[in-house]
Amino acid sequence: DIQMTQSPSSLSASVGDRVTITCRASQSITTYLSWYQQRPGKAPKLLIYGTSSLPNGVPSRFSGRGSGTDFTLSISSLQREDFAIYYCQQTYSAPYTFGPGTRLEIK
Amino acid sequence: QVQLHEAGPGRVKPAETLSLTCSVSGGSVNGYDWSWIRQPPGKGLEWIGQINHSGGTTYNPSLKSRLTVAVDTSKNQISLKLYSVSAADTAVYFCARLQAGYYDAFDLWGQGTVVSVSS
Repeated sequence: DIQMTQSPSSLSASVGDRVTITCRASQSITTYLSWYQQRPGKAPKLLIYGTSSLPNGVPSRFSGRGSGTDFTLSISSLQREDFAIYYCQQTYSAPYTFGPGTRLEIK
Repeated sequence: QVQLHEAGPGRVKPAETLSLTCSVSGGSVNGYDWSWIRQPPGKGLEWIGQINHSGGTTYNPSLKSRLTVAVDTSKNQISLKLYSVSAADTAVYFCARLQAGYYDAFDLWGQGTVVSVSS
């Protein structure tokens, strides 16, 4: 199985800040990397697919980069609704593993 | 607008079988791959398994011996059966659609259904 790790596990920031979350795969997953946002009591929401592509409706302040084993999710100017848990996931090979999550909290 | 809605018993006794359904409204199950994912209380996401548009299944090896995922096209539903459950299977269970054009990312999720395994 491909193992996914994320850092940091939690992060405190203020509205308007820029933040970056890192995700690492235990082997190359080319660009088969997605990011999801999960608010309390809600289902995850797809933010980024294919490492850097945004689905319709996702604000442009979200961006993703990387390839191979190292990936990042950046949020350019935090809004109040961005405080949530973020998960990366590889869909390169089954089982489609998720990272452990990064909790983004308001400072 | 396509929506997914999971349904289940809420509570299952240890050693029994958990049966869940995921109903697709506003669209068809045909032509897509579908996955089940679960989230234990206060923990992260675990991919359970999937069924592809041809009916082929792929399961998480950790659950493979206890799992069946199927599609009922007449009901426009995806189902999950997990046999011989234990307390470790207590979780919120989500169904999700794989979008092939999105590098197989899960572009659509149900709201989840809570399952508690207890006697």
